Amino acid sequence: DAKTTQPTSMDCAEGRAANLPCNHSTISGNEYVYWYRQIHSQGPQYIIHGLKNNETNEMASLIITEDRKSSTLILPHATLRDTAVYYCIVVIYNQGGKLIFGQGTELSVKP
Amino acid sequence: DGGITQSPKYLFRKEGQNVTLSCEQNLNHDAMYWYRQDPGQGLRLIYYSQIVNDFQKGDIAEGYSVSREKKESFPLTVTSAQKNPTAFYLCASSIRTGGVKETQYFGPGTRLLVL
Repeated sequence: DAKTTQPTSMDCAEGRAANLPCNHSTISGNEYVYWYRQIHSQGPQYIIHGLKNNETNEMASLIITEDRKSSTLILPHATLRDTAVYYCIVVIYNQGGKLIFGQGTELSVKP
Repeated sequence: DGGITQSPKYLFRKEGQNVTLSCEQNLNHDAMYWYRQDPGQGLRLIYYSQIVNDFQKGDIAEGYSVSREKKESFPLTVTSAQKNPTAFYLCASSIRTGGVKETQYFGPGTRLLVL
C-alpha cells in the first residue's frame, strides 16, 4: 500500500496562500492522490484529486511533481474557516475503494 | 438536498447492549462504507458494500455487523462483542467502487459513548 507522509502541523496567516506538502514516494502508476479535510467533530470533506496533471477547482489547487513522488495542496487565500486537519491519501485501485487515512496536517489559519 | 445523513449524532451504549447506527444517502451511489475514528487518529475501514445485498469486511470488522437491503441505506450494528466501541463513526458513499476515480463523500458522523 502506498503510504503518505505529511507534516504534523502548519500555520498560515489569514488571506495568504496555504501550501500543504505530501510525500508519496511508493505510489503506483494507477493510483490517484486525493485530499480531504476534517474540521473538528465533523465528517471529512472532499477537496480535490489528481493522477499526474495539476488540478484546480473552486476550493484548491493540486500540484503533483513529475515523478509523482510528492504533491502540494494549495489554498490560495486561506480563511479562518480553513482551519482543519488535511489528509493526503493515495487511493488503492480495485480494493473496495478503501481510503487509508494517516495522521494528516493540522492547519491553523491565524488572523 | 442531496447528501448523506447519519443518526443519531450521539449514542450511548450500556454494557452488553447492541446498538445500530443509521446511514442514509440520496445520491444514488452504489457503494457505501463505514469507518471508525479514534481520538487523534485517522479513519479505519469497518465494512463496505459495493451493491445491494452484498458487503465485505474491512480492516476492523470484528464486533460489528452490517446489512444492505436497500441502495440508500447501510446500517451498522455495534455488537456486545466489540469491547472498545467508544469512537466517532463515519459513513461514506461513492458512485462506484473498484476503480481509481471514485470520490467518497462522508456523512456528519455519530459519536458512540459507552456508559
